[in-house]
Amino acid sequence: DAKTTQPNSMESNEEEPVHLPCNHSTISGTDYIHWYRQLPSQGPEYVIHGLTSNVNNRMASLAIAEDRKSSTLILHRATLRDAAVYYCILRDSYNQGGKLIFGQGTELSVKP
Amino acid sequence: EPEVTQTPSHQVTQMGQEVILRCVPISNHLYFYWYRQILGQKVEFLVSFYNNEISEKSEIFDDQFSVERPDGSNFTLKIRSTKLEDSAMYFCASSDVVQGLAKNIQYFGAGTRLSVL
Repeated sequence: DAKTTQPNSMESNEEEPVHLPCNHSTISGTDYIHWYRQLPSQGPEYVIHGLTSNVNNRMASLAIAEDRKSSTLILHRATLRDAAVYYCILRDSYNQGGKLIFGQGTELSVKP
Repeated sequence: EPEVTQTPSHQVTQMGQEVILRCVPISNHLYFYWYRQILGQKVEFLVSFYNNEISEKSEIFDDQFSVERPDGSNFTLKIRSTKLEDSAMYFCASSDVVQGLAKNIQYFGAGTRLSVL
């Protein structure tokens, strides 16, 4: 599975937008970009995924660069509950069993 | 909303003892997973399970580990002879296969904290 690079930590203020970057320069054409997050003392939680086009759901937006070598998870209005570790994960169709490979992720702190 | 449930939330055991961690995946899901997270470290894949057999396992998942789906609802992880280094949070996850493995969403339980003394 291709490798992703994320900043170790980021800070945000409550009610402001947050842009969490992810670099995946070795991404292949069949890799989907997934984002999961892990709130303190909880299991990981799915956030969003995409292949080439930007995606929106009730939790967040995913902006994918035209060359797909990077992507950005956008939280439109951060809340205190969004404080978590955010993981950017690549998955391809040949991923036997569909495992998720977690990196260190970005620890997001949200200040009131 | 359907959720993955894990029991117990915390398990304390003596080194060398057998432990069974239990999970009830979401009812219509067909793929099941175990992951672990040692305190302060990243989440690590252990095993995936589909159609009553292991579809993939990591190097961590050695002969001391086994998984089973004993009935239509439970999915268990057994560690035969626990070691101190098995102390970790163990997460169960499940997914359907409607969208294919590259797109399927995995739903995680809250985890079982295993403490080996």
